Formats: sequence, structure tokens, C-alpha cells
Amino acid sequence: GESVGLHLPTLSVQEGDNSIINCAYSNSASDYFIWYKQESGKGPQFIIDIRSNMDKRQGQRVTVLLNKTVKHLSLQIAATQPGDSAVYFCAEMGNRGGGGSNYKLTFGKGTLLTVNP
Amino acid sequence: NAGVMQNPRHLVRRRGQEARLRCSPMKGHSHVYWYRQLPEEGLKFMVYLQKENIIDESGMPKERFSAEFPKEGPSILRIQQVVRGDSAAYFCASSPYRADEQYFGPGTRLTVT
Repeated sequence: GESVGLHLPTLSVQEGDNSIINCAYSNSASDYFIWYKQESGKGPQFIIDIRSNMDKRQGQRVTVLLNKTVKHLSLQIAATQPGDSAVYFCAEMGNRGGGGSNYKLTFGKGTLLTVNP
Repeated sequence: NAGVMQNPRHLVRRRGQEARLRCSPMKGHSHVYWYRQLPEEGLKFMVYLQKENIIDESGMPKERFSAEFPKEGPSILRIQQVVRGDSAAYFCASSPYRADEQYFGPGTRLTVT
């Protein structure tokens, strides 16, 4: 069945270091991928997204890499700060350009990022 | 420009009672999605609604759960005769169009005692 999963449940880094959070997906029809940040007691907050026709996308301090060959997604956070401490989820959505369930987000289990000062 | 609003933020119900969760989408958004999150897990899709229509309820249990998004007012997720297994965080998201970025609310944390 369709699933989105993460390699590591926890990641601890020192302030100022770069963080890399990985995600594997199994649905080859996935067209759109999103990374969310969820702080304790809050809802998921959009960080960055990428479509399947791209390999890399950069935002402010964050970069998402997509490897469709091995169905792998990663989130890189540069110069990690204490405020980056949260659970990070990858999510995928089906074919946004077509029909079917192109609105349903499928979430991975999450990685807890802890930034040590 | 207010974001997605959910209330209550915390809800405690005894087994057998009813729970009503409310979601007001962002202004201009007519698409609403409900997700459930169990402790230390990712969010799971429950239902997708547009104004006055249920588009996809495939992720919602067939018994005891219902959702609506009336022409006027917030979207409501209703859980009848709650059981302990219903304890979870319930998140609502909204989007301006069908296959567009979804903005999440702060969630309602339901505890069934």
C-alpha cells in the first residue's frame, strides 16, 4: 500500500550545525511533496515543498532534495538554531494535475529534531 | 488575516458522550480537510469537504463519526459515543483550491476518560 516513512525517529545536533532529515516514500505516482514542522501543542507548519519534476528546491536556510529513482526525500537545515527544535514530517500528495485523490496528504511518522545550545 | 481556527483546543469527554470539534477555515478557503494524529505518529487523513458537500470520507470510521461543512458557519467533526481509542489530536486544514497547499489549524486535543 501507499506509505511514507522516515529512517530516523530522532536527531540531535549542535546549534550552528547543519541538519539532514530523511524520508522514504513508496508511491511512485506521488507528484508533490511537502515538509512540515510541528512544535509541541501546535499544528503542522509548512516549510517547503517540491514537485516531482524537480530534484532540488531551496528556501531560507532549508533545502529539499528529491531522488525519484530511490523514492527518497530529504530536508536540509543550514545553521540549525534552537528554534528549529520540533518534529518534522514529510508528506506526499498524489497527482495534483490530474484527478483521483490529488488533495489527500499522506504523512510520515515524523523525526524529532533537538538542537543543543 | 486570521489563520485556520479550531475550537475547543482541548476537550475532555467520558466514554459514551459526544464530541463536537469546530473548524473555521482561512478567509476565502472553501476546501476543508480533517486529519487525526495519534501520539508520536503522523497525521492520518479522515475527510475532505467543500461547502455543503462531502467529497471524500474514506479515512473516517463509518460508525460514530460524521462531518459537515454548512453554507454558513464552521466545519464540524462529530464523534458520537466516544471511546478511549478516539483520544487523539484532530487537525483541520483548509485550502483555496482542491490540490493546493493546505494550511493547518492548531488542533483539538480530545481526551476520553
